[in-house]
Amino acid sequence: DGGITQSPKYLFRKEGQNVTLSCEQNLNHDAMYWYRQDPGQGLRLIYYSQIVNDFQKGDIAEGYSVSREKKESFPLTVTSAQKNPTAFYLCASSLGLAGAYEQYFGPGTRLTVT
Amino acid sequence: AQSVSQHNHHVILSEAASLELGCNYSYGGTVNLFWYVQYPGQHLQLLLKYFSGDPLVKGIKGFEAEFIKSKFSFNLRKPSVQWSDTAEYFCAVESGNTPLVFGKGTRLSVIA
Repeated sequence: DGGITQSPKYLFRKEGQNVTLSCEQNLNHDAMYWYRQDPGQGLRLIYYSQIVNDFQKGDIAEGYSVSREKKESFPLTVTSAQKNPTAFYLCASSLGLAGAYEQYFGPGTRLTVT
Repeated sequence: AQSVSQHNHHVILSEAASLELGCNYSYGGTVNLFWYVQYPGQHLQLLLKYFSGDPLVKGIKGFEAEFIKSKFSFNLRKPSVQWSDTAEYFCAVESGNTPLVFGKGTRLSVIA
């Protein structure tokens, strides 16, 4: 069954701790993305990667880091430098960055930092 | 930089009413346009997309959208909504070799 998996579904952390969100895809897609979804804000792009070992900052990259060591995996670390980390995080993938390719989304991880 | 505006934050309709959700974008060059939908508790999924050809695009579940280049618009329509259309709808625009830019979304509530 092809798709994108994100784990865990819910995550709770104390302020000051780094936390890593997992994203795996078995669609053989080159491009992967991380978005943050807040009520009334839509989807805001955190980081994206067009190919293994390469990634670029999106609109709200401050306080986040990523890696792309394998084609199928694109983990996101929310660092203690992120001022307002509590949010719903969505991972997505597509065949390529541009060219009207559909993005496929995972189920999301809801992170709560207290 | 590209920006996308969705005019309505929350729309409430009765079943069988017609739907039109507005979407405007700012960049005037070649664009690819998308509508995504997020049903309660489900993944975001593609509703329809435009990249060339007929500016009237048909998608899943009876939705359609019209690309009007002169107005920088890509409005989503459905002649008769059902309760199951209750969801959040996102317009997104791709221009150049850059990632999709999403609008802030419109929440649709359909009441019986």
